Amino acid sequence: AQKVTQAQTEISVVEKEDVTLDCVYETRDTTYYLFWYKQPPSGELVFLIRRNSFDEQNEISGRYSWNFQKSTSSFNFTITASQVVDSAVYFCALSDSGYSTLTFGKGTMLLVSP
Amino acid sequence: EPEVTQTPSHQVTQMGQEVILRCVPISNHLYFYWYRQILGQKVEFLVSFYNNEISEKSEIFDDQFSVERPDGSNFTLKIRSTKLEDSAMYFCASSRMEGSYGYTFGSGTRLTVV
Repeated sequence: AQKVTQAQTEISVVEKEDVTLDCVYETRDTTYYLFWYKQPPSGELVFLIRRNSFDEQNEISGRYSWNFQKSTSSFNFTITASQVVDSAVYFCALSDSGYSTLTFGKGTMLLVSP
Repeated sequence: EPEVTQTPSHQVTQMGQEVILRCVPISNHLYFYWYRQILGQKVEFLVSFYNNEISEKSEIFDDQFSVERPDGSNFTLKIRSTKLEDSAMYFCASSRMEGSYGYTFGSGTRLTVV
């Protein structure tokens, strides 16, 4: 069975601080896909990144970076120099190869204050 | 950029009433999904739909729920007799290939059952 754990329920930072959101996953498959979604206060789900299990390269996109480590089954997300607009709930999700469903973690609420 | 459109954005209904949530997926997408998010909780898979039939469904998706693609563009979720616990945000999503490639989510319909 798949499982995604986001142990941090809520994180509060001050603008310009760096922040890392943790994600730990469980799956029996060797081929799987990991995702991060952002849910701003308006409620929609915004796709941030998809990573397959064979690609352990870290990725950077502007102020966002992702650290995928199969050895620890983790796919952590770092925001550098956080901004108030980064305030949102962030979900990590997992999909096994060949299946359609996404299994989401419970989400981490990030509050960035000015 | 193509979008998944959901209507209405907010629906209030009385317990026991039937409700239909509507979605217009991205036009060249082949896979369609409904997910649910009870307030403050994680996003949960309900059902996936491909080639005019349900391909997967979760335990949540019981006989009270049904899905339909009535006219080749709309994708609907019907709840036959709503209960208080059906109050949630319902997200429609679509993808061009099977789900592990990631979806585009709609902005959601907030259903409130009173």
